Amino acid sequence: GAGVSQSPRYKVAKRGQDVALRCDPISGHVSLFWYQQALGQGPEFLTYFQNEAQLDKSGLPSDRFFAERPEGSVSTLKIQRTQQEDSAVYLCASRGQMNTEAFFGQGTRLTVV
Amino acid sequence: AQTVTQSQPEMSVQEAETVTLSCTYDTSESDYYLFWYKQPPSRQMILVIRQEAYKQQNATENRFSVNFQKAAKSFSLKISDSQLGDAAMYFCAYAPEYGNKLVFGAGTILRVKS
Repeated sequence: GAGVSQSPRYKVAKRGQDVALRCDPISGHVSLFWYQQALGQGPEFLTYFQNEAQLDKSGLPSDRFFAERPEGSVSTLKIQRTQQEDSAVYLCASRGQMNTEAFFGQGTRLTVV
Repeated sequence: AQTVTQSQPEMSVQEAETVTLSCTYDTSESDYYLFWYKQPPSRQMILVIRQEAYKQQNATENRFSVNFQKAAKSFSLKISDSQLGDAAMYFCAYAPEYGNKLVFGAGTILRVKS
């Protein structure tokens, strides 16, 4: 596609439920990032992939958060046993190999009730 | 650890006027990139302007320009001839020279009055 696509755009989950958020990066983009943006705040880094390799997961807040990119293209961010503090917008961004600019998707707004 | 600070939670500007958004950052690196991103209600982050730290010349993109003061670790954004479509949340961000992740400030809401 022309841009980074994220689905679903909105997700309401009951506390304790598992959720999976999908990111389709720009075709051919090697690097993929996930960020978490709490209401009224700036995005915070979660994890980074180069192709299928997860090179940095230092921002994942707990072991309930898991990300994968098995074929080096689509990525899924999974949150197990969701809690209210997980409510946020989850942004995905991709970047070409030689380009410093990251292109962002429109994010998934997760609300845990 | 690198940090980015935006001290103005909210700014207002009259249409066609000029406004400056402030940003300071902290890093021990000598080479790095600085960015201003715009986030409208659609939530998609849009790159407004980019500055490489090794360049002394301030970046300019049409109505948008920056005042980069490396010694002071300051990176402000000037929007000239403000338009209604400029209304959004603006984020200042930092990235290390050879690193990957962006460090964002808390953002400044810009309101444009007609």
